[in-house]
Amino acid sequence: DAGVTQSPTHLIKTRGQQVTLRCSPKSGHDTVSWYQQALGQGPQFIFQYYEEEERQRGNFPDRFSGHQFPNYSSELNVNALLLGDSALYLCASSLTGTSNQPQHFGDGTRLSIL
Amino acid sequence: GQQVMQIPQYQHVQEGEDFTTYCNSSTTLSNIQWYKQRPGGHPVFLIQLVKSGEVKKQKRLTFQFGEAKKNSSLHITATQTTDVGTYFCAGLLGTYKYIFGTGTRLKVLA
Repeated sequence: DAGVTQSPTHLIKTRGQQVTLRCSPKSGHDTVSWYQQALGQGPQFIFQYYEEEERQRGNFPDRFSGHQFPNYSSELNVNALLLGDSALYLCASSLTGTSNQPQHFGDGTRLSIL
Repeated sequence: GQQVMQIPQYQHVQEGEDFTTYCNSSTTLSNIQWYKQRPGGHPVFLIQLVKSGEVKKQKRLTFQFGEAKKNSSLHITATQTTDVGTYFCAGLLGTYKYIFGTGTRLKVLA
């Protein structure tokens, strides 16, 4: 039973570029949340996708956008990268419906901006 | 804005000693989850508390949710070296948005 998988594991970009990160949820899960974790900090909620729609968003600018596909996998896109976007980006999946469900995290994508 | 603070930020204990981390929210939470993140790893779900005043135990770990649903604690009895990591609480604000705490990094000295 595959857990949450994320790709790529590491990525190096320069300021102003754009990046796409990918996530496949745990088998049977249909809800995907994205988090940004800066070094030494707790994960910060970016947004959550369910039924291919963004249903909740955190305090992140419009440069951060996402998508969920019919197979429940998801992408996180970040445009016009800034140095401050350097972080570990975590994807978490959970079961249908309410948020009274455990979140299962992937290993994350380490994004470095030069 | 909405914040979830944890204290202490760091804790070093001798193996066999007890450990407690406290989580405090500025607003009422719908529920609270606890996660453990090992160095270089990802957060791993430990438990969820939903009811006011709820207490749950998992072997040496005891979790508590405050009466006002604004605070929570995790207590580990007789720590072991395998308990090393950062412990995060995550409070549910509203229906879908989890706010993670600042985390408590635990080191256990053998």
